[in-house]
Amino acid sequence: SAVISQKPSRDICQRGTSLTIQCQVDSQVTMMFWYRQQPGQSLTLIATANQGSEATYESGFVIDKFPISRPNLTFSTLTVSNMSPEDSSIYLCSVGTSGSRELFFGEGSRLTVL
Amino acid sequence: QQQVKQSPQSLIVQKGGISIINCAYENTAFDYFPWYQQFPGKGPALLIAIRPDVSEKKEGRFTISFNKSAKQFSLHIMDSQPGDSATYFCAARTTRGNQFYFGTGTSLTVIP
Repeated sequence: SAVISQKPSRDICQRGTSLTIQCQVDSQVTMMFWYRQQPGQSLTLIATANQGSEATYESGFVIDKFPISRPNLTFSTLTVSNMSPEDSSIYLCSVGTSGSRELFFGEGSRLTVL
Repeated sequence: QQQVKQSPQSLIVQKGGISIINCAYENTAFDYFPWYQQFPGKGPALLIAIRPDVSEKKEGRFTISFNKSAKQFSLHIMDSQPGDSATYFCAARTTRGNQFYFGTGTSLTVIP
């Protein structure tokens, strides 16, 4: 299994600001994803981070609000832009490898917007 | 639309008892059904998974039962322990695109 490190682990932010979350994997992975988990809720896929190209966003999520970068096979960032209290959530980086069905998660970044 | 329906939302079990969590799906394009365990403040961790060509998979105290015709699968935790207290998510993966859909989660509390 891959070891996934996320930074920051938690943060408290002011309304209207932006925060970038980093995801570092200890090995090259084919697929990287960003999920959101709102308090007491399930996991919702935000987007698939594509290496060297624009991310693929799920319905309800847009690039202007959640810009994603993936410069190589081990690193990705998710930015939460112009934050509002409704963005308070845990944001999870997850990875999958070709040839394996498994999906692994980082520890998550807990974001609180005041 | 919830692709994977999970029940119950919460579950309280005595130590040593059996915990059972159920999930149902509609999409026949799913080809992989994992269960994740999540402790507070942690990311979900893969617990056990099954493919649709198998009716049961057991790993230690954890068993997945899979009923392809009914499009249902369940997690059984035998001899439940307080350390099993966590939130459990079922999930299903599409054959194409490697996209996962998660159930709504079950909060399990095992009472000593």
